[in-house]
Amino acid sequence: GAVVSQHPSWVICKSGTSVKIECRSLDFQATTMFWYRQFPKQSLMLMATSNEGSKATYEQGVEKDKFLINHASLTLSTLTVTSAHPEDSSFYICSAGLEGKTDTQYFGPGTRLTVL
Amino acid sequence: EDQVTQSPEALRLQEGESSSLNCSYTVSGLRGLFWYRQDPGKGPEFLFTLYSAGEEKEKERLKATLTKKESFLHITAPKPEDSATYLCAVQPGGKLIFGQGTTLQVKP
Repeated sequence: GAVVSQHPSWVICKSGTSVKIECRSLDFQATTMFWYRQFPKQSLMLMATSNEGSKATYEQGVEKDKFLINHASLTLSTLTVTSAHPEDSSFYICSAGLEGKTDTQYFGPGTRLTVL
Repeated sequence: EDQVTQSPEALRLQEGESSSLNCSYTVSGLRGLFWYRQDPGKGPEFLFTLYSAGEEKEKERLKATLTKKESFLHITAPKPEDSATYLCAVQPGGKLIFGQGTTLQVKP
């Protein structure tokens, strides 16, 4: 139980294009999902908290107009990196907590984004 | 400021050589302390949640303990398949704050 999937697992795009990453909770409903970014040899940094049916809450320093988050249902959240640049290349990971219980977060397998 | 510090950064063990990983934390109000395992190129895999000082949890060769200031992840008789980065995180509110991780390598 508590399986989270991400799609795609990796993506390569040209600078200036937009990329959408999907995060799905497969066997449970998630009121809240979280998006993290991880650079090589570094730990996970929280980018934003996504709540179903409402606007995402972004961490300090994260541009909300660049990283668009949509949480349209209890099983799907999407992260769109708009006008991607090489410095956006990173490993993006989502997590989800069980509905009504956000203490334990279950993580997806991650999406490797490379911007050329 | 809420903070998590893990030590050592890297640890090399021989198969069967037991050891411990440390996670020190300062947090305004601890709702939970979490241990995750992360393999290269993968998302973190949940291991344990600890909520109060004195609590202990075990899973196979791993045992996590918690005090008011730190947590330990004890690895007993590790095997090469235990090689991974182990992440500790605290949850002062709804979100997780991660440490830098300890990369464990177990040699056969």
